[in-house]
Amino acid sequence: DAGITQSPRYKITETGRQVTLMCHQTWSHSYMFWYRQDLGHGLRLIYYSAAADITDKGEVPDGYVVSRSKTENFPLTLESATRSQTSVYFCASNRQGAPGYTFGSGTRLTVV
Amino acid sequence: QQQVKQSPQSLIVQKGGISIINCAYENTAFDYFPWYQQFPGKGPALLIAIRPDVSEKKEGRFTISFNKSAKQFSLHIMDSQPGDSATYFCAASMDSSYKLIFGSGTRLLVRP
Repeated sequence: DAGITQSPRYKITETGRQVTLMCHQTWSHSYMFWYRQDLGHGLRLIYYSAAADITDKGEVPDGYVVSRSKTENFPLTLESATRSQTSVYFCASNRQGAPGYTFGSGTRLTVV
Repeated sequence: QQQVKQSPQSLIVQKGGISIINCAYENTAFDYFPWYQQFPGKGPALLIAIRPDVSEKKEGRFTISFNKSAKQFSLHIMDSQPGDSATYFCAASMDSSYKLIFGSGTRLLVRP
């Protein structure tokens, strides 16, 4: 099916563990983004990518790592999870010049 | 300078009424201003967007009003319906495909 998919949908992990959130899009969109959504803060950009092997930091990159070896995949890794990283994480993609992003359905991450 | 300030945080409107959500920005380099609608458990979806060369854009019951000199823009939902109950986010960027800076969101409840 065409679209943007995130996995897992829900994740509970312990403090200090490494966690990877997956994002896959089938459109070959050049731009991909990771946001976190927290009450009162809206959506804050963590990292973004303009193309394969090109990534850059957003507003809140600390504690996160991204990679983009293939255009369609943009995984987000929490190297050592902390409770402050409990959030809903959204991946999005966009074709250059096209209006607006398409968001995935999100991953709800709880760090205990 | 990168912030987008959104108000109110929550809004209750009677069915058939007008819902108004306001946003303000500082960065005069922003040239793309979208609004996103998010239902519980879903990712945000593009609702309507405007560029600063026009003062108003209307799509069905949804209208964006844009005031470039005041660096403000607003979303008006005419004849609000219970199905419009959702969280609305304003955003801004320097290009439609570039990284979006989001407001903190407005939770709208339309009472039947």
